[in-house]
Amino acid sequence: ELVESGGGLFQPGGSLKLSCAASGFPFSIYWMHWVRQAPGKGLVWVSRINTDGGFTGYADSVKGRFTISRDNAKNMLYLQMNNLRAEDTAVYYCASFGIDWNGDYWGQGALVTVSS
Amino acid sequence: DVVMTQSPLSLPVTLGQPASISCRSSQSLVYSDGSTLLHWFQQRPGQSPRRLIYKVSDRDSGVPDRFSGSGSGTDFTLKISRVEAEDVGIYYCLQGTHWPYTFGQGTKLEIK
Repeated sequence: ELVESGGGLFQPGGSLKLSCAASGFPFSIYWMHWVRQAPGKGLVWVSRINTDGGFTGYADSVKGRFTISRDNAKNMLYLQMNNLRAEDTAVYYCASFGIDWNGDYWGQGALVTVSS
Repeated sequence: DVVMTQSPLSLPVTLGQPASISCRSSQSLVYSDGSTLLHWFQQRPGQSPRRLIYKVSDRDSGVPDRFSGSGSGTDFTLKISRVEAEDVGIYYCLQGTHWPYTFGQGTKLEIK
């Protein structure tokens, strides 16, 4: 199971940190991902992180503003979001696909609204 | 970035009839190890996405066998042999071969 938290209403230019608590699968050996979905729109990959946190990747739209991280001791995934823009408004899902894409785990999503 | 193009974007289907969704990529999706990382997801109204098919044609656990995937290279298809009411939702293809991973625009399946 994956459970996101930390969403809400935020000002443009502001910051927040999304969290994702994992349980029921071997979190520490799975890559983790953040995917977002703007209201009424499709799915967009945001970021990924490898098992020990030493490798990360970002979509161009968030590069330099968002930082993905994980704490394997706590089975937690994070997304630090800085310099927020209106276009960051979306439901943010944490997800994992096991080893070699042999699994499928999604959270329920956390709504982030960026508006003044 | 690899562009994933789905068609149709809207798919009205009569209950019990078959349905087919096409997904084409702007580059080959064959990975360095020879596998093809093309996956299909279903998103029912108000729910999180759920994967149906991974690596072109492998069905996820618990997915009814009326769902099947096929294709190679840049051209892929998701087929539903007999549409049921619970299949209503939006279907997305995803390529996991090239970073950043990219989804198709989504195909909205509705019952006629």
